[in-house]
Amino acid sequence: AQSVAQPEDQVNVAEGNPLTVKCTYSVSGNPYLFWYVQYPNRGLQFLLKYITGDNLVKGSYGFEAEFNKSQTSFHLKKPSALVSDSALYFCAVRDMDTGRRALTFGSGTRLQVQP
Amino acid sequence: SQTIHQWPATLVQPVGSPLSLECTVEGTSNPNLYWYRQAAGRGLQLLFYSVGIGQISSEVPQNLSASRPQDRQFILSSKKLLLSDSGFYLCAWRDRAKNIQYFGAGTRLSVL
Repeated sequence: AQSVAQPEDQVNVAEGNPLTVKCTYSVSGNPYLFWYVQYPNRGLQFLLKYITGDNLVKGSYGFEAEFNKSQTSFHLKKPSALVSDSALYFCAVRDMDTGRRALTFGSGTRLQVQP
Repeated sequence: SQTIHQWPATLVQPVGSPLSLECTVEGTSNPNLYWYRQAAGRGLQLLFYSVGIGQISSEVPQNLSASRPQDRQFILSSKKLLLSDSGFYLCAWRDRAKNIQYFGAGTRLSVL
């Protein structure tokens, strides 16, 4: 079965500094990987995905993620953090079951950007 | 464009009462639909998924059930709520062309 690990409960960064939110995965076969963001009491918003192709994936709001097959990682990055980026971030991997196609989520990382 | 609606946004129910949460999707047909629960503001657990009308798969044994009476309608139900049913419930649909799941705004359920 597939799994996702987000080793950091919280990441603190100053506004204007680069940010990284870490994610590692475990799947059999080629992974389909996703990042979502959740603001308080809201649903999850899709940020970006990796299916195949370039290892650097660009997404919404200036976020990007780097797929590293040898390290089984898919870290989320942004060159310059904004206070408004403060939220809960989830990494996810898609099910290989051809019918189910559900997502398995990491435990989430809270990003706090200080002004 | 496609949209997903979930209601109610917030619900407070006594233990032992019934539950019905509704989710509808617009702008697409025959989507895969999902119910997730998020406990304590963190991890999401898949509860049910559906690949078509009347086709429901349950992921975990629990006090809840799901139904899909129409192509774009997904309902989460319970006959008698337990305290442990409290949580944030999220509905999602899968865009097959884009390989992306999109989520509704969620329902916060408090069982007292």
